[in-house]
Amino acid sequence: GQSLEQPSEVTAVEGAIVQINCTYQTSGFYGLSWYQQHDGGAPTFLSYNALDGLEETGRFSSFLSRSDSYGYLLLQELQMKDSASYFCAVSSGIDDKIIFGKGTRLHILP
Amino acid sequence: EAQVTQNPRYLITVTGKKLTVTCSQNMNHEYMSWYRQDPGLGLRQIYYSMNVEVTDKGDVPEGYKVSRKEKRNFPLILESPSPNQTSLYFCASSFRSAETQYFGPGTRLLVL
Repeated sequence: GQSLEQPSEVTAVEGAIVQINCTYQTSGFYGLSWYQQHDGGAPTFLSYNALDGLEETGRFSSFLSRSDSYGYLLLQELQMKDSASYFCAVSSGIDDKIIFGKGTRLHILP
Repeated sequence: EAQVTQNPRYLITVTGKKLTVTCSQNMNHEYMSWYRQDPGLGLRQIYYSMNVEVTDKGDVPEGYKVSRKEKRNFPLILESPSPNQTSLYFCASSFRSAETQYFGPGTRLLVL
């Protein structure tokens, strides 16, 4: 079956750097996306990788290795407002389904 | 303002009473999708639509119906809701499946 695996929880300190990993097993692959969701809110788009390598958007970066079916989201200079859940998602490309991981809850300590 | 709207935001109903959750987007997106979110299970795609009159099943379509008669609207229909459909529902849209999805604010449904 198709699945995405990411850690359920990660804890980091304010001002530090944290990496959230995502491995995927899907029947096809267009690209890997990352979304942020605060408690009580809707998911919002952070980043998208279709090709291998690093994409940087301000404090957030995302990496993809298609050969390893692996990607990660890197958050730098962590702020308390980054406390949220982070989801990786794959668009399969074959049937245009979108599959989400179960999410990683990021806890930030002062 | 570019947005996806959903109504209602909160709904309490009883088993078997048909309901519809509306979704509308004003970005001229071709791809629209419905998800349900349950604790520990992440977001699971229910149905998606590539364009008007084109819909397909996601991973958890049982008990749901959709229609796409106009590009901007993508209603979710529960013809006979059951308690296991109690969940948080999100509608989303994008130009294509592989691109940035914009999510509506969510609809919290409780089926008694």
